Amino acid sequence: AQSVTQLDSQVPVFEEAPVELRCNYSSSVSVYLFWYVQYPNQGLQLLLKYLSGSTLVKGINGFEAEFNKSQTSFHLRKPSVHISDTAEYFCAVSPYNTDKLIFGTGTRLQVFP
Amino acid sequence: DSGVTQTPKHLITATGQRVTLRCSPRSGDLSVYWYQQSLDQGLQFLIQYYNGEERAKGNILERFSAQQFPDLHSELNLSSLELGDSALYFCASSTNEKLFFGSGTQLSVL
Repeated sequence: AQSVTQLDSQVPVFEEAPVELRCNYSSSVSVYLFWYVQYPNQGLQLLLKYLSGSTLVKGINGFEAEFNKSQTSFHLRKPSVHISDTAEYFCAVSPYNTDKLIFGTGTRLQVFP
Repeated sequence: DSGVTQTPKHLITATGQRVTLRCSPRSGDLSVYWYQQSLDQGLQFLIQYYNGEERAKGNILERFSAQQFPDLHSELNLSSLELGDSALYFCASSTNEKLFFGSGTQLSVL
């Protein structure tokens, strides 16, 4: 079985500061990894995904994430956040050769001026 | 356990057929969202209902429809099925924008 842990339910940060949203997963098999964002009053959007290759993945809106296999982590980072980044962020994993997608519980990023 | 229940877990059917996917939201959640998941495109938002009323529409085909009943459970109806409709369909429920996902229904169209 797989599980996804997002360690912080809320992350408050000031505008232009860097941010890291943490995601750890547990799986006995290899997985694909995803970050999704939900802006207020909208559905989920894909931020970035790791399928294979370089462990540093760049996504939309200046976000990036690094896959660390030894630490089973896929933390999301942005060097300088904007007010418009205020949203709920979900980490998710999909085991190879399955049709499963397992979500974390989400992290609310609140950016203050 | 997120508290969101989706049935069935797996569904196998043929092209041209019609199926109904069911979602029971978490107790007290008024909003229900439907998503279609594929590895290529990720999670695609289909439609949202809030307390029985359609709230938002995403990339939902005309062959698909949904509704939310007075007891707040929701059904997603997929008709004239095509091979490309094979996917994992997720339901999520929320109150105050915090989303909780069901485990999905895997639809295979043969």
